[in-house]
Formats: sequence, structure tokens, C-alpha cells
Amino acid sequence: AQRVTQPEKLLSVFKGAPVELKCNYSYSGSPELFWYVQYSRQRLQLLLRHISRESIKGFTADLNKGETSFHLKKPFAQEEDSAMYYCALSGGTNAGKSTFGDGTTLTVKP
Amino acid sequence: DTAVSQTPKYLVTQMGNDKSIKCEQNLGHDTMYWYKQDSKKFLKIMFSYNNKELIINETVPNRFSPKSPDKAHLNLHINSLELGDSAVYFCASSQVTGAQYFGPGTRLLVL
Repeated sequence: AQRVTQPEKLLSVFKGAPVELKCNYSYSGSPELFWYVQYSRQRLQLLLRHISRESIKGFTADLNKGETSFHLKKPFAQEEDSAMYYCALSGGTNAGKSTFGDGTTLTVKP
Repeated sequence: DTAVSQTPKYLVTQMGNDKSIKCEQNLGHDTMYWYKQDSKKFLKIMFSYNNKELIINETVPNRFSPKSPDKAHLNLHINSLELGDSAVYFCASSQVTGAQYFGPGTRLLVL
């Protein structure tokens, strides 16, 4: 069974501080991992996917297969980064199914 | 052009009523989904369709019935609405695997 764990429900940092949102997964094959962001009262938007290895809005995430983690990082948080972040895994025998973590609410204080 | 659209955006109704939410995507994706986001922001998959065929049906009361007239549309009909159905319902689409593109959500409030 595939599972995604985001251990922090709430995370609060000051503007300019580094931020790391943790994501751990369990999956028996080769997963696709994603981070989605949801700003207040808006739709979920794709932020990052591990296969593209890109940086979006200053965020990066590296897939660590040994630790089964896909943590989201940003060296200098901005107030506009305050949002809900979901880690998600896609793959497996259930084609078309993604498993989402419970989400982490990030608050960046001025 | 809106990639994934849902109507209505807001839905306020009485317990026991029947309501429908419509979803359309113009991305040419094969797979569409319905999610429920509760008051604690937990996102739970309800259904997934691939090329108009149901492929995932999570543990959802049978009062909820999805319908896909074609691969660009996935509608959700809810019978006998209950207070606990109040939530935000998101439609999404993707290729069979890969990143999902979400609609704006439908805020359902059952009184």
C-alpha cells in the first residue's frame, strides 16, 4: 500500500528564515512524488515534481529513496509563502491514483 | 482558458436534498478525479475515472454517484444530503499517472 506522511500539521517561521516541510512515503516501486500548494481559499496547484528537479518560487525538493523522503525546502521564506502544502505520491497498481499527505500549514511571520 | 472548471462554486442546501456538481477539463487528460476536503483540510480521494471508466472508488457512501459522459467531463451527484457532507469538493485531472490539475472547488454547505 502506498502512504504519504507529513509529520507537521503546522509550521511557523519568520520571514527570511529557512523552511523545511517534511514528507515521508512508503511505496514498493518507483514512485512519482509531488508537492502541491493551496493558498487561502484557492485551488491546489502543482508546485514541484521530483522528476523535473526544478526550483519553483525558490522551493526545491530532493527525492531520497534511502530515507523514503521528499522534503520541501526554501532557504529564505517570504510572507507570501504562507499556505497549505501537500505532498503526494503517484504510481502503483492503481493507475490514476495519487495518495496525498494530510498537509502542512506554513505560516511565515513578518 | 480555464483548464479545469467546476460549477457551482458555492452550494447551500437543506438536508435531504439531491444536488449535482459538474466538472470539465480542456487539457486532454485521460483521468479525472473527485476529492473531498474537510474542515481540517484533509484531502480524500473519492473517485477516479480513466477514459470514462471508473477505476477507483474509495469508501464513499453510495449516496454519491459519479458520472462521466465523456473523458472531458466528470460530474458528481449526491442524494439525500447530510450535514456531514458539508465540505469543499475538488475535481482534478491528469494523464494516467502524473501531476494533477485541480478545479477551483465547490463549497457545499448542508443546513
